[in-house]
Amino acid sequence: EAQVTQNPRYLITVTGKKLTVTCSQNMNHEYMSWYRQDPGLGLRQIYYSMNVEVTDKGDVPEGYKVSRKEKRNFPLILESPSPNQTSLYFCASSFTRGGTGGEAFFGQGTRLTVV
Amino acid sequence: SQQGEEDPQALSIQEGENATMNCSYKTSINNLQWYRQNSGRGLVHLILIRSNEREKHSGRLRVTLDTSKKSSSLLITASRAADTASYFCAASGNTPLVFGKGTRLSVIA
Repeated sequence: EAQVTQNPRYLITVTGKKLTVTCSQNMNHEYMSWYRQDPGLGLRQIYYSMNVEVTDKGDVPEGYKVSRKEKRNFPLILESPSPNQTSLYFCASSFTRGGTGGEAFFGQGTRLTVV
Repeated sequence: SQQGEEDPQALSIQEGENATMNCSYKTSINNLQWYRQNSGRGLVHLILIRSNEREKHSGRLRVTLDTSKKSSSLLITASRAADTASYFCAASGNTPLVFGKGTRLSVIA
């Protein structure tokens, strides 16, 4: 089954404790991205990657890191989480960043709380 | 960015009625996409309309695109309670897919 898998689904952590949210897709997609969703603000893109070893900042990259060492995986790293990073996070993948075939597939989300 | 902006922010209708949501975007696009999100879950792709298309249908969904006005609309006909969700448009071009804040649709049985 074609899918994007995020882990964990729920996470409560303390300020400053490094964490990683994993994302994996099984569709051989080139393009992957991370979003955060906050009430009243919609979905905002954090980082994206157009292929292995190619990453770029989205609209809200501060406080986050990503890596793309393999095509299927795109982890999101919070080196020193702060309470303002409490949010619902989504990973998405697609064959291309846009254009024909640019349909994005989303993971189920990771609800992160930083206390 | 080519962000889509949906209108209205919230819409409440009776089951069986039609629901129309609008989307505006800023720059030239290759296509425009509509997604649905059930509460707290991942977005699910509904339909994609290319920039050279004016109208597209998929089941009870009808999407129009007016590139001269940089706008699109999503019509859901004969709505059902199960259509209750948030709906997002996303304009797709030479920059990454960027989503608006969505329209929250409530269909009352």
